[in-house]
Amino acid sequence: EVRLVESGGGLVQPGGSLRLSCAASGFTFSTSAMSWVRQPPGKGLEWVSIIGASGSNTYYTDSVKGRFTISRDNSENTLYVQMNSLRVEDTAVYYCAAYKSGWYVYWGQGALVTVSS
Amino acid sequence: IVLTQSPGTLSLSPGERATLSCRASQSVSSNYLAWYQQKPGQAPRLLIYGASSRATGIPDRFSGSGSGTDFTLTISRLEPEDFAVYYCQQYGNSPQTFGQGTKLEIK
Repeated sequence: EVRLVESGGGLVQPGGSLRLSCAASGFTFSTSAMSWVRQPPGKGLEWVSIIGASGSNTYYTDSVKGRFTISRDNSENTLYVQMNSLRVEDTAVYYCAAYKSGWYVYWGQGALVTVSS
Repeated sequence: IVLTQSPGTLSLSPGERATLSCRASQSVSSNYLAWYQQKPGQAPRLLIYGASSRATGIPDRFSGSGSGTDFTLTISRLEPEDFAVYYCQQYGNSPQTFGQGTKLEIK
């Protein structure tokens, strides 16, 4: 059974930092590109970042460039995103998702990040 | 690429046919378009990729069609479990983008 389990969400003040983790099992994590996709409360989906299978290629949506860093540990089957200089508009449920040739075949249950003073 | 989904909300009854539209602001490269279903409190689920290929385990009442800038998700006969929000995603042009969603509700 495929599982993607996010952790590390919570309440943080504007300007603060948070690191999300996503533990993967049930598929070959080390050969899969992985993404973070977020969803603000009551709104639609927004792609945030993607990392290649080896970890050497990373891409970000413009609004998080320079603030978020995606990484992975293939020995631990875990995906990360380090989020710095958080803004109110970063408030969302963050999903990790397994990327296959463009589409997202597996999704985690999501981690809520709330940025508020 | 901006994806515009219509209608915003679709009210239908079980057994009816649903037609959901996704229109792109420019041509989607190689018909690289996917559809997802999302129920309240749940993660999205992949339904269709490559504009018309059903994902593993997806019932054949779901079908995708279209090319270029106009794409359609059709649910031939609605089951009670099909009432949800549906999103399209294009992955042919960087950055990948999602539509704003169509809510399919019970009439």
